[in-house]
Amino acid sequence: DTAVSQTPKYLVTQMGNDKSIKCEQNLGHDTMYWYKQDSKKFLKIMFSYNNKELIINETVPNRFSPKSPDKAHLNLHINSLELGDSAVYFCASSWSSDTQYFGPGTRLTVL
Amino acid sequence: GQNIDQPTEMTATEGAIVQINCTYQTSGFNGLFWYQQHAGEAPTFLSYNVLDGLEEKGRFSSFLSRSKGYSYLLLKELQMKDSASYLCAVRGSYGQNFVFGPGTRLSVLP
Repeated sequence: DTAVSQTPKYLVTQMGNDKSIKCEQNLGHDTMYWYKQDSKKFLKIMFSYNNKELIINETVPNRFSPKSPDKAHLNLHINSLELGDSAVYFCASSWSSDTQYFGPGTRLTVL
Repeated sequence: GQNIDQPTEMTATEGAIVQINCTYQTSGFNGLFWYQQHAGEAPTFLSYNVLDGLEEKGRFSSFLSRSKGYSYLLLKELQMKDSASYLCAVRGSYGQNFVFGPGTRLSVLP
């Protein structure tokens, strides 16, 4: 009965690799988000999708590409991983711009 | 630009009351949220203000003054489990844009 789920929970990889993080929500929400939380615990929005359409794309390198196959899923693909990409990535969902519900996070470590 | 400030750390005693402040300067405003985040976990929603005044929810209350760009979260009857980071987030005027503050790490001591 998990509301917002993400896989994997931990991801350790080498610089230069390509990786994906998956997110699914079963709350019936129409909006999904990706956030990055760095080592200083600053939570910064990366992308926002409403009804599968990109609404917000903050200043994020184009190595990051979100994909929303349907309203319940928002995946994040990262190309050519760099050391600075190491962080915790949170997926969230909401009904329109209402309260957001966060997934458990994916801790990405780039070596 | 967008700027949200919160104290970095606070310490309080079990059973006490603590007030966590948040000041913001954003290009638009359409509501302010407070979230709680325990170490290693996801943020969870605590409260929401869009109009000036106080919103009370059990042991937690949140206050907003839009003219001053100021909010606070009040935690009463502190418990050890309240030790966590508290994040203030402003929703911008064009819908799904949210800006989070740096968070305040609260330590509750016995």
